[in-house]
Amino acid sequence: EADIYQTPRYLVIGTGKKITLECSQTMGHDKMYWYQQDPGMELHLIHYSYGVNSTEKGDLSSESTVSRIRTEHFPLTLESARPSHTSQYLCASSGLGGQVGGYTFGSGTRLTVV
Amino acid sequence: AQSVTQPDIHITVSEGASLELRCNYSYGATPYLFWYVQSPGQGLQLLLKYFSGDTLVQGIKGFEAEFKRSQSSFNLRKPSVHWSDAAEYFCAVGGGYQKVTFGTGTKLQVIP
Repeated sequence: EADIYQTPRYLVIGTGKKITLECSQTMGHDKMYWYQQDPGMELHLIHYSYGVNSTEKGDLSSESTVSRIRTEHFPLTLESARPSHTSQYLCASSGLGGQVGGYTFGSGTRLTVV
Repeated sequence: AQSVTQPDIHITVSEGASLELRCNYSYGATPYLFWYVQSPGQGLQLLLKYFSGDTLVQGIKGFEAEFKRSQSSFNLRKPSVHWSDAAEYFCAVGGGYQKVTFGTGTKLQVIP
């Protein structure tokens, strides 16, 4: 039973379109993360948030932006999609104790930009 | 900088055989170590974690991992693999409130 939900699961979109990938969690976790995953590569952290109105860029430079207006919601937006944005995007959250307890991941959004 | 190496990109084992997936890490202090599993089309699920105490850690689905500080390793093991264990496995390292770094993953194929 998933406690963190990502929509859509799959998205094919044209170049130049604006898209928002949704991520919501029901566990009341303060910390939320967005990772980009490509085949054969490690997961790359692109954004994270340690609470409402707190967002930071991760290790991998990304043209996306995020917001955290509510604890449970952490959407990721691409203002103008490009083929280089084609990837799988994973949302995760963690509760008290930070990374010690491990992350809970959503099922991911597989984005294809044509 | 912290890093994780999973030297095996792909491993094939027979159903019922034992399994060991290798993980080596680099971290400046006492690490927090994790193993996650990802089934096709899914997100990652936490299998087990280590941050102190007994160096042999038990996880879900019959998996265990052993932390060896002298070898900077945290290998994942299972005595008898089931077909449903076919998936991709990721080792990860972090510490306290440091961000977690993931390895590149090992794909496990199980043959009947």
